[in-house]
Amino acid sequence: GAVVSQHPSWVICKSGTSVKIECRSLDFQATTMFWYRQFPKQSLMLMATSNEGSKATYEQGVEKDKFLINHASLTLSTLTVTSAHPEDSSFYICSASLVTDTQYFGPGTRLTVL
Amino acid sequence: GENVEQHPSTLSVQEGDSAVIKCTYSDSASNYFPWYKQELGKRPQLIIDIRSNVGEKKDQRIAVTLNKTAKHFSLHITETQPEDSAVYFCAARVGGSNYKLTFGKGTLLTVNP
Repeated sequence: GAVVSQHPSWVICKSGTSVKIECRSLDFQATTMFWYRQFPKQSLMLMATSNEGSKATYEQGVEKDKFLINHASLTLSTLTVTSAHPEDSSFYICSASLVTDTQYFGPGTRLTVL
Repeated sequence: GENVEQHPSTLSVQEGDSAVIKCTYSDSASNYFPWYKQELGKRPQLIIDIRSNVGEKKDQRIAVTLNKTAKHFSLHITETQPEDSAVYFCAARVGGSNYKLTFGKGTLLTVNP
């Protein structure tokens, strides 16, 4: 139980384009979903917290107009990187939680912006 | 906000030895402390967690201890095996913070056969 999927697993795009990443909780309804960014050999940095049907809460320093988050249902959250640039290249990971504290992570999406 | 320090950043042990990773946190209101294992290119996997009303928790070869007074918690792995090699992250959650976790910087554990 508590399986989280992400799609795509990797994506390469041209600078200036937008990329959408999906995060789904497959066998449970997630009250909250989280989006993290992880650079090579570094820790997980929380970007934003999203609850179904409400606006996402962004961490300090994360541009909400650049990283659009939509949490349309209890099983789906999307992250759209708008006007992507090479410095946005990273490993993006989502997680989902039930009503308890435990966060279950998706497999991650490796984004490369050329 | 919460700040989590993790040590050491790298740890190399011989197979069969024990490994200990330590974390400290800053916010005394933190009440949930999970540990995650992440293999290269993979998702973080929850391996054990502890809540603030418990001082110690054990699951087979893995144990976590929590000292609320000193605001630190530790991961103990006994009888290490090569497949334990990975990056381990500790995290802390402040109560009432919408379940937001603050992660340590990670420890690269290498178990040498």
